[in-house]
Amino acid sequence: GENVEQHPSTLSVQEGDSAVIKCTYSDSASNYFPWYKQELGKRPQLIIDIRSNVGEKKDQRIAVTLNKTAKHFSLHITETQPEDSAVYFCAASTRGGGADGLTFGKGTHLIIQP
Amino acid sequence: SQTIHQWPATLVQPVGSPLSLECTVEGTSNPNLYWYRQAAGRGLQLLFYSVGIGQISSEVPQNLSASRPQDRQFILSSKKLLLSDSGFYLCAWSSPGTSGTQYFGPGTRLLVL
Repeated sequence: GENVEQHPSTLSVQEGDSAVIKCTYSDSASNYFPWYKQELGKRPQLIIDIRSNVGEKKDQRIAVTLNKTAKHFSLHITETQPEDSAVYFCAASTRGGGADGLTFGKGTHLIIQP
Repeated sequence: SQTIHQWPATLVQPVGSPLSLECTVEGTSNPNLYWYRQAAGRGLQLLFYSVGIGQISSEVPQNLSASRPQDRQFILSSKKLLLSDSGFYLCAWSSPGTSGTQYFGPGTRLLVL
């Protein structure tokens, strides 16, 4: 089955700086890669996703890049703000993330220092 | 718009007691439904998924079971809880087919003592 590795487990950055979180996956058939943000005690919220026919996707301060050859994808957050502090999870799925569920990384605790 | 509900929000149960957690989705038909578990400070583990009424696939062997008695209802059960069953249980849904995006419910926090 799929295996997703996520690094780092904790990331501390100064407010206004950029943050990068990286994930690798094992199953070359995976073709859907979402990123979720989870605040303490709350449900994970989808913040951005990318499919394997696209190399990069941006949404305001957030971007995701995908390298299918190397089987890794990354989340980039620019101009970080205090409200970006949360745990971020990457995930991967075959069949476009359909019925067979997602395999998640173990999460990155992002801390924005004022 | 679509809405997903879970209850109860929190639950404290003794070891060996039964469990029933419920998840319902509004505003969509024939959704794919999922149960995930998140241990404290950990990632999310897929437990079960369902593509239709009565169709359940299990990802992890355990003392839990799932059922889908109605199109938009998904139930997680156990006959006898273990200490290791404690965690945050999240239900999620996605549109039928391969659209992919999964949306999570508010979760049930379970503590087994």
